[in-house]
Amino acid sequence: DAMVIQNPRYQVTQFGKPVTLSCSQTLNHNVMYWYQQKSSQAPKLLFHYYDKDFNNEADTPDNFQSRRPNTSFCFLDIRSPGLGDAAMYLCATRRDSYNEQFFGPGTRLTVL
Amino acid sequence: ILNVEQSPQSLHVQEGDSTNFTCSFPSSNFYALHWYRWETAKSPEALFVMTLNGDEKKKGRISATLNTKEGYSYLYIKGSQPEDSATYLCAALEDTGNQFYFGTGTSLTVIP
Repeated sequence: DAMVIQNPRYQVTQFGKPVTLSCSQTLNHNVMYWYQQKSSQAPKLLFHYYDKDFNNEADTPDNFQSRRPNTSFCFLDIRSPGLGDAAMYLCATRRDSYNEQFFGPGTRLTVL
Repeated sequence: ILNVEQSPQSLHVQEGDSTNFTCSFPSSNFYALHWYRWETAKSPEALFVMTLNGDEKKKGRISATLNTKEGYSYLYIKGSQPEDSATYLCAALEDTGNQFYFGTGTSLTVIP
C-alpha cells in the first residue's frame, strides 16, 4: 500500500548528540512537511518542501535542519538535541494545494 | 500565522451519544480547514477538507460544517461508538502557501 513511513518509531539520544529522523513516501507527492508535537500541544510546523523548494518557519530553531534528496525521502536533522526537543515528530505529505495531508505514524524522540 | 483553537480539550461520552466539537480560526488569510482523526499508535488520518463558507461534509456518522465569515467549524459525531475514541485535530491553511496551523485537538473517549 502507498504510505508514509517514518523510521525509527522511537528514538533515544543523548543531550547534544546529533540525531537524524527519516521519512519516506510512496505517494509521489510534491509537498512534504515536518511537524513537532509536544505533549498536550498542537503539532507545530517546522518546515516544508514544495518539490525541492525549502520553506523554513520563522521560529524553527537553527538546531533543526532538513534535507530532501529526492521526491521520496525527507530527513530531519537535530544537530545538538536539548531536553526541550523531546517530542513526537510527524512527517506528512500532500499532493498539491487542494488536498489533504497524509501522515506517517511519527517518531517519538527522547533526549537523556 | 493563524491562531487555531479547539474546544473542548477532552470529552467523555457514553456509547450511542451524539457529540460535537468546535474549531475556531481567524477568518482573515484563511484558505481551507482540515479535520484529522488521530488514534493512539496510528497515523493521523484526514476526515474532511473544506474551503467554502457554508460547506457541509459527511462521512458515515461524522459530519462537519464551516463558517469562514465568523471563523469556526463544527465536527459532529452521531451515535458515538468506542471505535470513535481518538484525538480530533483541525488545521487551518493560510491563503499564502502550504503552511498549516493546527489546534491542540479534542480527545474523545467513548465509554461502552
